[in-house]
Amino acid sequence: QKEVEQNSGPLSVPEGAIASLNCTYSDRGSQSFFWYRQYSGKSPELIMFIYSNGDKEDGRFTAQLNKASQYVSLLIRDSQPSDSATYLCAVNILGGGADGLTFGKGTHLIIQP
Amino acid sequence: EAGVAQSPRYKIIEKRQSVAFWCNPISGHATLYWYQQILGQGPKLLIQFQNNGVVDDSQLPKDRFSAERLKGVDSTLKIQPAKLEDSAVYLCASSLNPLDLTGELFFGEGSRLTVL
Repeated sequence: QKEVEQNSGPLSVPEGAIASLNCTYSDRGSQSFFWYRQYSGKSPELIMFIYSNGDKEDGRFTAQLNKASQYVSLLIRDSQPSDSATYLCAVNILGGGADGLTFGKGTHLIIQP
Repeated sequence: EAGVAQSPRYKIIEKRQSVAFWCNPISGHATLYWYQQILGQGPKLLIQFQNNGVVDDSQLPKDRFSAERLKGVDSTLKIQPAKLEDSAVYLCASSLNPLDLTGELFFGEGSRLTVL
């Protein structure tokens, strides 16, 4: 059974600060990892994906992956009120065609102006 | 490019009634997914289609849920009879190919079901 764990929050961060979101996963066979953002009442949208150990940066967002620790994180620099949303961590195991993502419950992030 | 279309957006039914949701994926996307998202939880995969064949339906409650994608394009998810715990948003998503390392799913707006 694949499991993805996230702290549900809410995580409150002052505007302009760094928001740090964390995720752990149970299946060592997981090969790729995703962060989706979901605004209230809306559908999830992809922010970043990562599949190699280390950091991956895209604008204000940095994804970090440590496969040995089965840990993936998302850093948001210079947090803006528009970043307030639920952030969903998702993993998949490639191969065999059965590759639908397994999502965590999400972390509710609040950026305080 | 048109996105994933879903209907209806909202549906309220009483328990033991039936309901059907429709999804039309992005043109050319071979893979279609149905996810269930209960309030406060992440999306849970119910079923995955590759063209008109089922790839994974291991988490689909087959005693009450059914889904089809007859011509490999649009899809219907049916619940009969509905239970209170089926109250959720049903999200349809599509992707161009079975997920590669980039894994981008394109989600529809969802169909919100309330079972009374």
